[in-house]
Amino acid sequence: GAVVSQHPSRVICKSGTSVKIECRSLDFQATTMFWYRQFPKQSLMLMATSNEGSKATYEQGVEKDKFLINHASLTLSTLTVTSAHPEDSSFYICSASSPKRGVYNEQFFGPGTRLTVL
Amino acid sequence: GENVEQHPSTLSVQEGDSAVIKCTYSDSASNYFPWYKQELGKRPQLIIDIRSNVGEKKDQRIAVTLNKTAKHFSLHITETQPEDSAVYFCAATTGGKLIFGQGTELSVKP
Repeated sequence: GAVVSQHPSRVICKSGTSVKIECRSLDFQATTMFWYRQFPKQSLMLMATSNEGSKATYEQGVEKDKFLINHASLTLSTLTVTSAHPEDSSFYICSASSPKRGVYNEQFFGPGTRLTVL
Repeated sequence: GENVEQHPSTLSVQEGDSAVIKCTYSDSASNYFPWYKQELGKRPQLIIDIRSNVGEKKDQRIAVTLNKTAKHFSLHITETQPEDSAVYFCAATTGGKLIFGQGTELSVKP
């Protein structure tokens, strides 16, 4: 299968600081990348969809000025949590897809980033 | 938009028994239905998927059925083993976006 990495795997930061999470497709070019947030014992909630070279599309209720997404190349997307607060503490997971890889809309998930805001 | 409901939220079975998890979806345009297994702190792993033009698919101990008319699909795990214990998510997709169910915590007791 296709490989997607995320960095960092864990991050602890102080309230008010910004945190950047990177998502990379290592062995394929991802035309679309997705960002999810998962609170403990809850499901994955789609935050936004990004296509290379264009602005991300955010889901209802997700603040685009707080969660900045950049998809500058076909192998890299970044999520920046600006002015993080304790309620932003969560497990952030990215996924990537390409019509040339996998089957029918299959998304390949990164390992996730555990964000803790103190 | 799409809404996916998943039941039950928890399921406990004895090793060797079968487990069934059910999901319903709202958007009749959804055309791809994957199932994921997620262990604590890990990424979701695709275990089986089905397209809207297929009614049933099987892979060893795992099978998925889809009823497009009723807009529901189910995961069946036979001969369960302790290592099957995890959280399972169904999902539905339309236009490339995955919408997940709430998850089922499966516990297989030896």
